[in-house]
Amino acid sequence: EVQLLESGGGLVQPGGSLRLSCEASGFIFSSYAMNWVRQAPGKGLEWVSGLSGSGVATSYADSVKGRFTVSRDNSKNTLFLQMNSLRAEDTAIYYCVKDRVGATHTAFHIWGQGTKVTVSS
Amino acid sequence: DIRLTQSPSSLSASVGQRITITCRASQPISSYFNWYQQKSGKAPKLLIYDASTLQSGVPSRFSGAGSGTDFTLTISSLQPEDAATYYCEQSHNNPPWTFGQGTKVEI
Repeated sequence: EVQLLESGGGLVQPGGSLRLSCEASGFIFSSYAMNWVRQAPGKGLEWVSGLSGSGVATSYADSVKGRFTVSRDNSKNTLFLQMNSLRAEDTAIYYCVKDRVGATHTAFHIWGQGTKVTVSS
Repeated sequence: DIRLTQSPSSLSASVGQRITITCRASQPISSYFNWYQQKSGKAPKLLIYDASTLQSGVPSRFSGAGSGTDFTLTISSLQPEDAATYYCEQSHNNPPWTFGQGTKVEI
């Protein structure tokens, strides 16, 4: 069974940093693009960042570019999101999402349960 | 960026009714288009990809149609477990991948 388990969320002050992790199981992790998608309280879905299976190609939403860094460790089947210079508007549930096919984004196939990030003083 | 406009933003319907949700893209996206269902307090779930292909395990009462800029999600006979918010999403060419604002369905 394909599973994604996020961790690392919590309460952080504005300007602070957090590192989210997503441990994957049940599929060949290195063969799939992975993404982070967030949802602010009571709001819709927002794609945040994506990463190719090899880890070479990265992409970011304009709202996080220059502050967030996505990476992966294929030897440990783990996806990361390093979040720096956090703002109140980054408050959201962050979902780790596996793409439907390998090389490029086609659809957000499998979602983790999410990890909550709250940016507040 | 490609904008997706969903309508209606919410609807209320009875069990057994047929409902349709519409999503319009700001530019042509061929069939690079997906639908998701999110139940309260849960992670979203992929329902339909490539505009009209039903994800494995999704009931056949769900269907998707469209190409270019106009897309629809239809539930042919609404069931109590279909109460959720539905989102459209485009996967055309390059990021950013964008979502519609969501349609809340009440039974």
